[in-house]
Amino acid sequence: GENVEQHPSTLSVQEGDSAVIKCTYSDSASNYFPWYKQELGKRPQLIIDIRSNVGEKKDQRIAVTLNKTAKHFSLHITETQPEDSAVYFCATRETSGSRLTFGEGTQLTVNP
Amino acid sequence: EPEVTQTPSHQVTQMGQEVILRCVPISNHLYFYWYRQILGQKVEFLVSFYNNEISEKSEIFDDQFSVERPDGSNFTLKIRSTKLEDSAMYFCASSANRDEQYFGPGTRLTVT
Repeated sequence: GENVEQHPSTLSVQEGDSAVIKCTYSDSASNYFPWYKQELGKRPQLIIDIRSNVGEKKDQRIAVTLNKTAKHFSLHITETQPEDSAVYFCATRETSGSRLTFGEGTQLTVNP
Repeated sequence: EPEVTQTPSHQVTQMGQEVILRCVPISNHLYFYWYRQILGQKVEFLVSFYNNEISEKSEIFDDQFSVERPDGSNFTLKIRSTKLEDSAMYFCASSANRDEQYFGPGTRLTVT
């Protein structure tokens, strides 16, 4: 089955800096790659996603890049703010399936 | 903006008892899911449901688990005989297609 590895497990940045979280996956049949933000005690919230026919997608301060050949994708947050502090999870879905396979999560802390 | 809702928010039960977790997916969505998250760990897929039948299930989803869509709005997860290791946060999710899965607020299940 699919294996998703996520790095780093914790990331601390100063407000205004950029943050990058990386994920690698094993199943070449995966074609959908969402990112979720989960604040403490809350639901995972879909913040951005990318499909395999696209290399990069941007939404304001958030961007995701995908390298299908290398089987890795990354979340980039620019101009970080304290409210960006949360656990971020990457996930994959393979072409014929419906399950999302999640990474282990990255605790992002933005220090004011 | 429509959201997935879940009840109860917290359920405490004794080992061996049956529990039913309830979810109301977003109204025009066709795909429904259950995931669970043990405290401090990643989100794990349990089951997906489409067109009134299970479309995919994980190895966690054994004979103790069942899902049902008893009417046009509710989607339930039943655990027949709970075990201590079933203690977790259970999230329901729904999507219009197999992508963009939106999560509910979760039910915290505590088995004593």
